[in-house]
Amino acid sequence: EVQLVESGGGLVKPGGSLRLSCAASGFIFSDYAMDWVRQAPGKGLEWVSSISGTSTSIYYTDSVKGRFTISRDNAKNSLFLQMNSLRAEDTAVYYCARGGSGSYSWQDYWGQGTLVTVSS
Amino acid sequence: DIVLTQSPDSLAVSLGERATINCKSSQSLLYSSNNKNYLAWYQQKPGQPPRLLIYWASTRESGVPDRFSGSGSGTDFTLTISSLQAEDVAVYYCQQFYTTLFFGGGTKVEIK
Repeated sequence: EVQLVESGGGLVKPGGSLRLSCAASGFIFSDYAMDWVRQAPGKGLEWVSSISGTSTSIYYTDSVKGRFTISRDNAKNSLFLQMNSLRAEDTAVYYCARGGSGSYSWQDYWGQGTLVTVSS
Repeated sequence: DIVLTQSPDSLAVSLGERATINCKSSQSLLYSSNNKNYLAWYQQKPGQPPRLLIYWASTRESGVPDRFSGSGSGTDFTLTISSLQAEDVAVYYCQQFYTTLFFGGGTKVEIK
């Protein structure tokens, strides 16, 4: 059974940093691209970042470029999102999701999400 | 960037009736080399993560009831729930994966 479990969310002040983690199980982690998708309270879904299975291709939405860094550790079946210079508008539930084997794909499995609140 | 516009924002449908959700793309999502439309549909219930329903615009994900169907090509797409059930109350999102990912704004489906 595929499982994705996010952790690392919490309350942080504007300008602060957080590192989100996603522990994956039930599939060959390195065979799949992985994505972070966020959802601000009461709002829709927003794609944040994607990383290919071998980490050779990495993409970010414009609003987080230069502030967020996606990475993965295939030996530990883990996905990460390092978030720096956080802003109030980064407040959201952050979901880890499994992509496909290609550059861009749908997401067939999602974690339950971890809440990030940026507030003074 | 490819932008998706969903309509309506919300709709109320009687149990057993048809629900239709539209998704319009600012650019064609049809990739000529494989004749596939790079569009997916998701369902999200309150307090839950999204659930994949449809990919390649019309391919139903395993385990998704056959009352859900996707259609369309190029820039205009539709998600249809043929006979609305109480458990279908949710927000539905389209997503393009032709370029970097983008979600439509969502359509809230309720019972009339």
